[in-house]
Amino acid sequence: DIQMTQSPSSLSASVGDRVTITCRTSQSVSVYLTWYQQKPGKAPKLLIYSASTLQSGVPSRFSGSGSGTDFTLTITSLQPEDSATYYCQERYSTFGGGTKVEIK
Amino acid sequence: EVELVQSGAEVKEPGESLKISCKGSGYSFTNYWIGWVRQMPGKGLEWMGIIYPGDSDTRYSPSFQGQVTFSADKSTSTAYLQWSSLKASDTAMYYCARRYCTKASCYKEAFDIWGQGTMVTVSS
Repeated sequence: DIQMTQSPSSLSASVGDRVTITCRTSQSVSVYLTWYQQKPGKAPKLLIYSASTLQSGVPSRFSGSGSGTDFTLTITSLQPEDSATYYCQERYSTFGGGTKVEIK
Repeated sequence: EVELVQSGAEVKEPGESLKISCKGSGYSFTNYWIGWVRQMPGKGLEWMGIIYPGDSDTRYSPSFQGQVTFSADKSTSTAYLQWSSLKASDTAMYYCARRYCTKASCYKEAFDIWGQGTMVTVSS
C-alpha cells in the first residue's frame, strides 16, 4: 500500500497570506494526486486533480504542483471562506491525514 | 444535473445488518466507477474501495476487505454498501463518490461528484 504523509496537520494564517500544504507519497504516483477541500458537516469537494489541474469553478488562488512523490497545494491569498480541512489522495485510493486551515 | 443521492441516517444495534444506498442521476451510471469513503467522527477520510456498476468489478481496501460488501443495481442506477454484522466501531459518516473514469479511460483521475453522506450510528 502507498503511504501518504500530509503536512502540516493544522495551520493558522491571516487573510491575504500565502498558504502551502504538502503531501508526500511512499512511492511514485506520477501525477495522479488529487486535492479536496472539506468544510464541517459537508462532503469533500474536488479542488485539483492530476496534481495541477484546477477543477472547473474553483478559484484561481488555488494551485497544485509536483510529480512523483512530492506535491504541494498553494493558496496564494487566503480568504475567510478557505477555512476548511484539505486532503490529498493518490489516484483513486488512499487519502492523506488532512490539514486543517484556520483563519487568524 | 449530475448528482449522487444517498439514503438517510441509520441507527442500529451491534450485530445487526445494514445496507445503505447511493443513487446516481444525470449521467451514464453504469460507465463510471463509484467509490466509498468512511469518515469516523472527528477524523479524516478513509478509502474503502470502488465498484464498477457496469459489471460489478470491485476493489476493496485491505482495511475493509471482508468487513463490507459493495454491490450495484444497473436498473435503478444505485450502488450499495452493506454490513452483515455491525460493530460500534462502524459508527461513521459514509460517502459515495464518482470516479470520473470508465474501464477504458480516465477523464479525471479523481472523485469529482460526491453524495451528501449517510451517517451510521451503531449503539446498544
